[in-house]
Amino acid sequence: DVVMTQSPLSLPVTLGQPASISCRSSRSVVFIDGKAYLSWFHQRPGQSPRRLIYEASERDSGVPDRFSGSGSGSDFTLKISRVEAEDVGVYYCMQGTHWPLTFGQGTRLEIK
Amino acid sequence: EVQLVESGGGLVQPGGSLRLSCAASGFTFSRHWMSWLRQAPGKGPEWVAYIAKDGTPKYYLDSVEGRFVISRDNARDSLSLQMNSLRPDDTAVYYCARDPDGSSKVDHWGQGTPVIVSS
Repeated sequence: DVVMTQSPLSLPVTLGQPASISCRSSRSVVFIDGKAYLSWFHQRPGQSPRRLIYEASERDSGVPDRFSGSGSGSDFTLKISRVEAEDVGVYYCMQGTHWPLTFGQGTRLEIK
Repeated sequence: EVQLVESGGGLVQPGGSLRLSCAASGFTFSRHWMSWLRQAPGKGPEWVAYIAKDGTPKYYLDSVEGRFVISRDNARDSLSLQMNSLRPDDTAVYYCARDPDGSSKVDHWGQGTPVIVSS
């Protein structure tokens, strides 16, 4: 199975400041079509996950443009340009290239 | 608006069975691959099973292969997960989720239904 490793696991951030989460896979998640099927999800307490980013860098409809995804191969990053209060929760990366689909351990973002 | 509503969760004894259902609306269900995922208390999500648009093929997490069966009824816009020989480590909130395009695998999730396996 492809192991997804996120860092940091805990991320205290001051409102208005940037934040960055890393996600590394144990092998490349680039599919034969050349695309990296790497998604980022945000989960607030008591809610189901919401997808923010797909194919490593494509933002979902309705997702604020302060969220951006980048990376290729086995090294990916989610960035929030200016953290807002509604951004608290846990962020997960997920690879959809290899079976079984696998998730990172999660990064808990909190406001300092 | 895409809506996925799970039902059927509950408390079951080890070795028992449970059938989960997911009612889909707001999109053309028959055009999408679908998944079940789960999330144990305090843990990250875990993919469980995946089914093609017309019901074949199906893929399963190794630990549920032979115990769980994913199925769908495109006439009723419904997804199911039959869970047999349940174990305490199957305890989790179970979600159904849509694959938007056959490639990125998961976009919209339902609100989840809890399954507790305990004596």
